[in-house]
Amino acid sequence: DTGVSQDPRHKITKRGQNVTFRCDPISEHNRLYWYRQTLGQGPEFLTYFQNEAQLEKSRLLSDRFSAERPKGSFSTLEIQRTEQGDSAMYLCASSLGQGLYEQYFGPGTRLTVT
Amino acid sequence: KQEVTQIPAALSVPEGENLVLNCSFTDSAIYNLQWFRQDPGKGLTSLLLIQSSQREQTSGRLNASLDKSSGRSTLYIAASQPGDSATYLCAVRPSTGGGNKLTFGTGTQLKVEL
Repeated sequence: DTGVSQDPRHKITKRGQNVTFRCDPISEHNRLYWYRQTLGQGPEFLTYFQNEAQLEKSRLLSDRFSAERPKGSFSTLEIQRTEQGDSAMYLCASSLGQGLYEQYFGPGTRLTVT
Repeated sequence: KQEVTQIPAALSVPEGENLVLNCSFTDSAIYNLQWFRQDPGKGLTSLLLIQSSQREQTSGRLNASLDKSSGRSTLYIAASQPGDSATYLCAVRPSTGGGNKLTFGTGTQLKVEL
């Protein structure tokens, strides 16, 4: 069990560019979550998947954001036409299922939009 | 809408002191509550998870309690060490709807001094 991994760990991009982040959950976990954390705040929920199905999206997830989880394994989060307000830490978590299962978080991807 | 508050926002204590971190939530309809630790620029490490039917959980020098009816949880750290310095976050999962998404507080930044 290698834990949840995320790539890249850091990304610096210019405003208006597109970026894509990847998350690899713990192998047997069927639920995968994306959160966003800005400086000094707690993480905020963005979206989650059960296997390959995206079951819920937060209102924080504007039309410029899209997430996928093909084949129910790894997930990608794409941000199109980045804005300075998108600068944040993007955290991925996974869990074995619902109910009493803990969510395990990855190290995050720090995005800086200049 | 669930709101989670953590007090104090920051805390500095001398090594060896016992301390208590507080977490309160506005909607008592929760399934469970998790305490996390976050080191600067890093992801979240799960410390303890308390189910709504439980009153407390213990792991080593950590003890977390839950009073669901009053919307409160505390994290007790015994014999604090400099290595305990980090931000501590609590998060709740709703018992109705909401999938498995967590609502986080803004955290307590702890510094344990030599």
